This record gives sequence, C-alpha cells and structure tokens, in this order.
Amino acid sequence: GAVVSQHPSRVICKSGTSVKIECRSLDFQATTMFWYRQFPKKSLMLMATSNEGSKATYEQGVEKDKFLINHASLTLSTLTVTSAHPEDSSFYICSARDGSLAFFGQGTRLTVV
Amino acid sequence: GQSLEQPSEVTAVEGAIVQINCTYQTSGFYGLSWYQQHDGGAPTFLSYNALDGLEETGRFSSFLSRSDSYGYLLLQELQMKDSASYFCAVRDRDSGYSTLTFGKGTMLLVSP
Repeated sequence: GAVVSQHPSRVICKSGTSVKIECRSLDFQATTMFWYRQFPKKSLMLMATSNEGSKATYEQGVEKDKFLINHASLTLSTLTVTSAHPEDSSFYICSARDGSLAFFGQGTRLTVV
Repeated sequence: GQSLEQPSEVTAVEGAIVQINCTYQTSGFYGLSWYQQHDGGAPTFLSYNALDGLEETGRFSSFLSRSDSYGYLLLQELQMKDSASYFCAVRDRDSGYSTLTFGKGTMLLVSP
C-alpha cells in the first residue's frame, strides 16, 4: 500500500514554544491530507483537512491560529502547534488518501512540559 | 452528519474467531473501512467494503450490508498479536466523501 511518513515520532517541548510536525506522502501525490488527534484509549478526532495550495479546513472547535497547517506541495503537509500548553499533549496523526483508501503516518507523540 | 457504533471491548482466546460489528448512520454512503491500531501506534488499513458482501484478506474478512447500514470485521485463528483496537470508518456526503469519520473503536483482548 501507499506510504505516509510522519516526523517526528516523539517530541517533548516546553510550554509556550512551538512544534512543527511533518507529513509526507512518499510514493503518491496527495492534494488533500488530514490531521487527527487522539487521546489515550479514545478514537481519532479529525482536526483539519489540509488542501494543497489553499487554506486548510478546520473542524468545529479547533483553533486555526493555534494549529497552523501548511500544505505547500503535493507530498508535504505540516502541522505547527503554536504556543504549546500541557493540554496540547496528545498523539497527532496525519493521513492521506490514495484513491479510495486512506493511509496514516506513524503518529507523533507530543508532550508539553 | 454521521455516527458509528461498535462495541467498546471484545475478549477472546487464541485460535478462536471473533466478530466486531459496526452500525452507521450517514447522510450518504461511500464505503466502510476497517483499521487496526496497536497501543501507541498509528492505524493501519485492514479492509474496505464499498458493495454488499464479504471481502476476505487472509485471516481477516469484512462484511457489509448497505440496506442494514451494518458491517462487521471477522478475525479468524486469533493470535496474541491481534490484541489491538479496531476502528470502523465511513466517508459520507456531508464531508464531500473526502474525510473519514471513525467509530470509537473496539479493543480486542486475546488471551492464551
């Protein structure tokens, strides 16, 4: 199947700093990528849909100024958590569609201390 | 809108067969997918049904009945490594058939 690479897999940052997470489609082009957040033992919650060359579409309740998304090319989308706080600590996962199927990155475990 | 219902937890023993059900409500339907997620890992694609019937992939099979808005994932010859969370997911008209909406997940515990 298609490969989606997400980096970093794990990051610890200080409260108030910003963290950038990258999501790359390695063997296909993705005009649309998706960013999810997952709390322990919970399901994946869609945060935003990243559109190549245009603004991201955010789900209700997600602060677009806090979670900055850039989709500058057909193979790369980035999520930047700005002014991170401990409550932003979570597992963030990106996804890209290849035809009818969605493939996920490895996920990023963010811990804000 | 859309909603999916699946059991929160299922337990079984090695070698057994287990079925995880998923019922959904959508504003239009474009296929039911199943994903496996081990603790701390990312979801991995297992199976996809766009049409009614059974799709078989090795030990895993997935079934869909669009008239009943129902599907299931069948796992045979269970192994300890099958212990994980399993999510059903749909795409629907409200999202432009673009985004996946996931169920809350079913945690499968396989014991010796």
